Amino acid sequence: EAQVTQNPRYLITVTGKKLTVTCSQNMNHEYMSWYRQDPGLGLRQIYYSMNVEVTDKGDVPEGYKVSRKEKRNFPLILESPSPNQTSLYFCASAAGVLGSYNEQFFGPGTRLTVL
Amino acid sequence: GESVGLHLPTLSVQEGDNSIINCAYSNSASDYFIWYKQESGKGPQFIIDIRSNMDKRQGQRVTVLLNKTVKHLSLQIAATQPGDSAVYFCAEKALSSGSARQLTFGSGTQLTVLP
Repeated sequence: EAQVTQNPRYLITVTGKKLTVTCSQNMNHEYMSWYRQDPGLGLRQIYYSMNVEVTDKGDVPEGYKVSRKEKRNFPLILESPSPNQTSLYFCASAAGVLGSYNEQFFGPGTRLTVL
Repeated sequence: GESVGLHLPTLSVQEGDNSIINCAYSNSASDYFIWYKQESGKGPQFIIDIRSNMDKRQGQRVTVLLNKTVKHLSLQIAATQPGDSAVYFCAEKALSSGSARQLTFGSGTQLTVLP
C-alpha cells in the first residue's frame, strides 16, 4: 500500500530534550515536506526537500532541522524543543518534477506536546 | 503580506444538498490553486487543483471555480454525503522567488453534513 508513515504518533516531552520524528514514504517520491498544524493557522511549512541531500526552509523553520540522506526518509529533528513547538506535525511527499507538487500525500500526523 | 483565507470557518449542509466552500487569496502570482480535505484524525488528502489560466475544473462530484478578477476560489460538492464531513483547505502554489514548489494553505472550513 502506498503510504507515508510517521513515528511516533503521539509524544509528550520536556523542554530541551532532543527528539526526532521519523517520516518514511514508499512511493519513490522526490519531494518531501514537513508541516505543522495549529488551530486557526492552518498548515504551515517547516522544511521541504526536492531530492536526496537537497533541503530548503519553509515558512517556519526556526527550531527545527531536517535531513534527507535517503529518498524514502525525511526525519524532523528538534534539538531543543520548547513549549511553542507543541503542535500537530505532518509529513508529506509528492512525485515532484516527474509528476506533481500539488498532489501531496500526507502521513497520519504526530501530536507533540512540549512541557 | 500574501495570504490564503476562507470566508467562513464552518458550514453545515443537509445530506443530498450541494455544498459551496469559498476561499479568498491575495497573491496574483500563484500558478495553481488546490483543495485538500482533512477528515478527523487524519492527514489532509488532495481533492483537485486548478491552474491559474483556467476558470473551472470538474472532478468526481466536485467542481472548482476560479475568479481571478476578485481573487476568489470556490469548491462545489454535489449531492453532499456524510463522508464529505471534514475540514477543507484551499492552498496556492506561488511562483515567487524561492517558493516555486511550496504550497501556502488557508486556515480551513469545517463542513458538517446533517442527516
